[in-house]
Amino acid sequence: EVQLLESGGDLGQPGGSLRLSCAASEFTFSRFHMAWVRQAPGKGLEWVSAISGVGADTYYADSVKGRFTISRDNSKNTLYLQMNSLRAEDTALYYCTRRNIDRWYFDSWGQGTLVTVSS
Amino acid sequence: EIVLTQSPATLSLSPGEGATLSCRASQSVGTNLDWFQQQPGQAPRVLIYDASKRAAGIAARFSGSGSGTDFILTISSLEPEDFAVYYCQQRNTWPLAFGGGTKVEIK
Repeated sequence: EVQLLESGGDLGQPGGSLRLSCAASEFTFSRFHMAWVRQAPGKGLEWVSAISGVGADTYYADSVKGRFTISRDNSKNTLYLQMNSLRAEDTALYYCTRRNIDRWYFDSWGQGTLVTVSS
Repeated sequence: EIVLTQSPATLSLSPGEGATLSCRASQSVGTNLDWFQQQPGQAPRVLIYDASKRAAGIAARFSGSGSGTDFILTISSLEPEDFAVYYCQQRNTWPLAFGGGTKVEIK
């Protein structure tokens, strides 16, 4: 069974930085595109960023472009999200997701890691 | 940027009743539209992909239809575990986008 385990969520300062990690197991990590989706407290889902299998292609929502960086280390089966210039509106539960290898839908999700941005 | 509008925001129904959820896209997404269910305190899970294909392990009472800009998720007869929030999501064009969600609650 696919396992996605997020970590790194914490209380961050406005203007500060955090790095999220997602440890993947039980599948060939390098073959799959991956993504981050977030959910603010009591709100809906928001796609944040995505990355291709080898990491050559990255994509970002306008709300995080220029502040967040997605990356991956296929030797460690780990996905990352470097979050800089944090804002209060970045407060959310951040999910790591896998994109289906054939049809590109989000076929597996982690349980999420909570980021709170507050002074 | 494609915007997905889901309606209604809340659907109040009784177990055994059918549910019809709508998702409208601001421009065509073909059939690159998926539906997710989210139970309280849990991660979302995919129900329907490619607008009408049930994901692995999903009960036959869930069905999807539509193409282009108008999509429907139908739950033929609500089971107690179906009361949850449902989201549509388009993957036709970057940036990817989710709809605002429809909450199906017990009447």
